[in-house]
Amino acid sequence: DIQMTQSPSSLSASVGDRITITCRASPGIRSDLGWFQQKPGKAPKRLIYGASSLESGVPSRFSGSGFGTDFTLTISSLQPEDFATYYCLQHHGYPRTFGQGTKVEI
Amino acid sequence: EVQLVESGGGLVQPGGSLRLSCVGSGFNFRSFWMSWVRQAPGKGLEWVANVRQDESEKYYVESVEGRFTISRDNAKNSLFLQMNSLTAEDTAMYYCVRDYGGYPPYDFWGQGTLVTVSS
Repeated sequence: DIQMTQSPSSLSASVGDRITITCRASPGIRSDLGWFQQKPGKAPKRLIYGASSLESGVPSRFSGSGFGTDFTLTISSLQPEDFATYYCLQHHGYPRTFGQGTKVEI
Repeated sequence: EVQLVESGGGLVQPGGSLRLSCVGSGFNFRSFWMSWVRQAPGKGLEWVANVRQDESEKYYVESVEGRFTISRDNAKNSLFLQMNSLTAEDTAMYYCVRDYGGYPPYDFWGQGTLVTVSS
């Protein structure tokens, strides 16, 4: 199985902060990775696909980067609506695997 | 507008069975792989299974292999998950998710159906 190690598991931040969440894949997954945002009681929403492509309608303060084993999700200026849990997902091999999640709190 | 609507969840006793359904609309259902993803209460996301457009390929996470069966009916734009020998560890919200089909996968998710395994 491909292991996805996501960090941190939680972080405290303020409106306007720049934050970065990382996922490490073992073994490598090229760019077969997506980032998802989930708010309480809601289904996940895809933000980034192909490791670095921004989903249509998603604000440009979100960005993704990486290839192979190391990936990052960056929010350049945190907004109140961004407080949520974030997950990475690899779709390079089976079984598909998610990172453990990062809860972004005030 | 793409929509995925799950149904079939509920309370079931350990060892019991349940069949989940998902109806897709707003896209060419038969052109896409489809997946099930679950989330236990207060826990992270876990991919469960997916199925190719013509059902010629199916994949499962090891923890459900041999107990769960994914299937589809393209004529009815429907995806199914037959769950047998359920345990408390299968308690979760189950999401139907659009997978590969010419677009990057996992772009559309249903709202989920809750499965609770308890005596």
